[in-house]
Amino acid sequence: GAGVSQSPSNKVTEKGKDVELRCDPISGHTALYWYRQSLGQGLEFLIYFQGNSAPDKSGLPSDRFSAERTGGSVSTLTIQRTQQEDSAVYLCASSFEPGRQETQYFGPGTRLLVL
Amino acid sequence: AQKVTQAQTEISVVEKEDVTLDCVYETRDTTYYLFWYKQPPSGELVFLIRRNSFDEQNEISGRYSWNFQKSTSSFNFTITASQVVDSAVYFCALGGGGSTLGRLYFGRGTQLTVWP
Repeated sequence: GAGVSQSPSNKVTEKGKDVELRCDPISGHTALYWYRQSLGQGLEFLIYFQGNSAPDKSGLPSDRFSAERTGGSVSTLTIQRTQQEDSAVYLCASSFEPGRQETQYFGPGTRLLVL
Repeated sequence: AQKVTQAQTEISVVEKEDVTLDCVYETRDTTYYLFWYKQPPSGELVFLIRRNSFDEQNEISGRYSWNFQKSTSSFNFTITASQVVDSAVYFCALGGGGSTLGRLYFGRGTQLTVWP
């Protein structure tokens, strides 16, 4: 079946602009995660949505970052007033409801470059 | 705190050699989960294997095998008879319970290059 999809694949923006990154999870998966991969920091957890529960936002690096999930499916990660240090690959993953730790399946990522 | 250490930054081997990728983890959780992912040059993280802390049985899948040892907090991954297509970055990850349920903690990855 279809895997996790993300759009856009690549995004180039100017410092100070806002960007929106989209994630479509695997059908039937109720948990959705965002991670960031950068050369300096490796793979970092950002935020996690589990069903109808309040999301775990503890990994968001600043209040410029926010995410929402509409209808328990598609998620959008928004970065406001982008900075050059936001340049990274943003990865989305999904899994079945993790009553216990379920395997996360990743999308291809969005490569963000802030000029 | 949850932590994963992959001490090997880069490994180069010649095709058909066996190679072992090391992973050491730290956690205070009594129940936890360990994963290996592969990231080929295309960039997508591909799931390889998952192990639960209460299941120390080692596993072999084709040319891949995993050695989970709680006594040394290690979860090593061996590729037998490596092939050029195995060239990728391999990540070890740790998932816990409690307040950190859901998130994965990744090591920094090991870049494996297999030369023909």
